[in-house]
Amino acid sequence: AQTVTQSQPEMSVQEAETVTLSCTYDTSESDYYLFWYKQPPSRQMILVIRQEAYKQQNATENRFSVNFQKAAKSFSLKISDSQLGDAAMYFCAYSGGSNYKLTFGKGTLLTVNP
Amino acid sequence: GAGVSQTPSNKVTEKGKYVELRCDPISGHTALYWYRQSLGQGPEFLIYFQGTGAADDSGLPNDRFFAVRPEGSVSTLKIQRTERGDSAVYLCASSRGGKNTEAFFGQGTRLTVV
Repeated sequence: AQTVTQSQPEMSVQEAETVTLSCTYDTSESDYYLFWYKQPPSRQMILVIRQEAYKQQNATENRFSVNFQKAAKSFSLKISDSQLGDAAMYFCAYSGGSNYKLTFGKGTLLTVNP
Repeated sequence: GAGVSQTPSNKVTEKGKYVELRCDPISGHTALYWYRQSLGQGPEFLIYFQGTGAADDSGLPNDRFFAVRPEGSVSTLKIQRTERGDSAVYLCASSRGGKNTEAFFGQGTRLTVV
C-alpha cells in the first residue's frame, strides 16, 4: 500500500520569506502523480501544484515550486515570498498507477508571521 | 453552481441516529469521491463513483456506511446507527473522470455525534 509521510506538524515563516514543507512517500509503482493541497479554515481543499512522476522537471506555479527526488521518494514544496494568505494546512497527496483515489499525509500547519 | 456543494455544512446528531450527507458535484463531472477527515489527520478515501456506479467502495469502514448516486450527479452518503467515532469532516470531490484528472473539493460536512 502507498503511504505519504509529512514529518513537520507545524511550520512558521516570516512574511516575504521562503519556506519549504517536506513530504516523503512509499510506492512500488512507476506511474504516479504527486500533489500539494492547501486547506484553509474554510475546509475546502485547494490544489496548489501537481507533479507527474515521469517528468524530471520540477513543477512550478508562480510562487510555489516543488523539489521532486524520485529515487529518494521525496516531494517537498517551496513557497517563495510568503504571504499572509498562504497560512493554512498543507497536505501532500499521492495518486498512482491505475488508481484515481488520493492518499494524503497528515498535513503541515503553516503560520505566516507579519 | 460553479463548485462542489455539500450540505449541510454542519450536522450534530445523537448516537444511534441515521444521517444523510449530500454532495452536488460540478456539472458534467462524471467522477465523484467521498473522503473522511478526522481531527488532526489527512482525508481518507471512502468511495469512488464513475457515473451512477460505485467503482470502488473499499474505503467504507463498515456496513453502516453506504453511498448512492442514482442519476450520476448528486450523491448521498448515508450513515446508520451513528457512533461517536464517526465524528469527522466528510469531504466530497468531483472530477471530469479519467486517470489523475484534477479533483475539485467541496467545503465538507462536519458531523458531530453526541
